[in-house]
Amino acid sequence: GENVEQHPSTLSVQEGDSAVIKCTYSDSASNYFPWYKQELGKGPQLIIDIRSNVGEKKDQRIAVTLNKTAKHFSLHITETQPEDSAVYFCAAKLMNYGGATNKLIFGTGTLLAVQP
Amino acid sequence: EADIYQTPRYLVIGTGKKITLECSQTMGHDKMYWYQQDPGMELHLIHYSYGVNSTEKGDLSSESTVSRIRTEHFPLTLESARPSHTSQYLCASSEGGGYTFGSGTRLTVV
Repeated sequence: GENVEQHPSTLSVQEGDSAVIKCTYSDSASNYFPWYKQELGKGPQLIIDIRSNVGEKKDQRIAVTLNKTAKHFSLHITETQPEDSAVYFCAAKLMNYGGATNKLIFGTGTLLAVQP
Repeated sequence: EADIYQTPRYLVIGTGKKITLECSQTMGHDKMYWYQQDPGMELHLIHYSYGVNSTEKGDLSSESTVSRIRTEHFPLTLESARPSHTSQYLCASSEGGGYTFGSGTRLTVV
């Protein structure tokens, strides 16, 4: 089955700097890679996702890159702000359309602290 | 805007009590999930359902049980709570892609 590893487990950056969180997956059949942000006292919220037919996707200050050959994907946050401080989770799954149902496999989480 | 609701948000109960954590979603999703999240951050899948009358155990063994009588409702029950059940419980739903999570229930058993 799928296994997702996430690094680092904690990350501290200065406000305005960039932050990068990396994940690797084991199942080459996986084709859907979402990222979630969990703020204190809340449930994880989807912030960006990427499918295996593209190598990069951007949404304002966040971007995700995917390297299918190496089986890794990364979250990039530029110009970090204190409100970016949260726990971030990566995940992977094989998304079948009309076929079998597969569950998302989550990474272990990264606690990002943005220092003002 | 939350389309998946968990109640209560916080619960402190005594050992041996029976409790039910509620989870409801208004999106018509067939798939629903329960996760246990400890202070170490990791999300542990304890139950899931792919539709009405379908329930399965997750990757982490749990003494809790679930039911899925209606599409929108996926309650989790602990017959006899113990201090080891103290944790954050997160409910989620999906329709094939990413998950939508509720805000969670913080359970403390004293």
